[in-house]
Amino acid sequence: SYVVTQPASVSVAPGETARITCEGINIGSKSVHWYQQEPGQAPVLVISYDFLRPSGIPERFSGSASGNTATLSISSVGAGDEADYYCQVWDPRSDHWVFGGGTQLTVL
Amino acid sequence: EAKLVESGGTLVQPGGSLRLSCAASGFTFGDFNMNWVRQAPGKGLEWVSFISKSGSPIYYAESVKGRFTISRDNAMSSLDLQMSSLRVEDTALYYCARLGSSGPTDAFDIWGQGTMVTVSS
Repeated sequence: SYVVTQPASVSVAPGETARITCEGINIGSKSVHWYQQEPGQAPVLVISYDFLRPSGIPERFSGSASGNTATLSISSVGAGDEADYYCQVWDPRSDHWVFGGGTQLTVL
Repeated sequence: EAKLVESGGTLVQPGGSLRLSCAASGFTFGDFNMNWVRQAPGKGLEWVSFISKSGSPIYYAESVKGRFTISRDNAMSSLDLQMSSLRVEDTALYYCARLGSSGPTDAFDIWGQGTMVTVSS
């Protein structure tokens, strides 16, 4: 079935922009969703359909997708953004929903 | 406010069975496709099963096909997962998750807090 790959970890200095990638064959043609999971908490949707922000999600969170890569960007990062981030797509060939392995964001 | 609350998780022996439940509130349950997603300790998210608004179609991850059964009761706003022939590798926090209203390409927009299943002798 379809596979999406994320880096295991990303580190960024406070105030900088974090970019987390999600790679998959022709992922730009799919709808990519991003979830934030803080320690001990359930996942929360932060970006849907590649770039849409659900209500209540700060404008610092943005997304894009093209070709084989989707990207979640978080600007002006702070300690409160430290969490695991997961990308997710639907694979119509298998009717399975697929998550990336997750990326742990560390704010230095 | 839309809310999902899971229950039923516990310690069970390998080969045993268990039924998880998810109670929905704050939205019209019958208008949404529903899913179970699990997370093994220290690991990532894994989609487990999907059930449509009407109860059909139903899909399962290969890792649970033939052992797990998803069902729903729209009148009671509840979602269940019957788990049998449980394995140590089924140990995980099981989340109930709502799929957005735009179909299978939509996101999991509402999540419960999860219920823990531990399979161990």
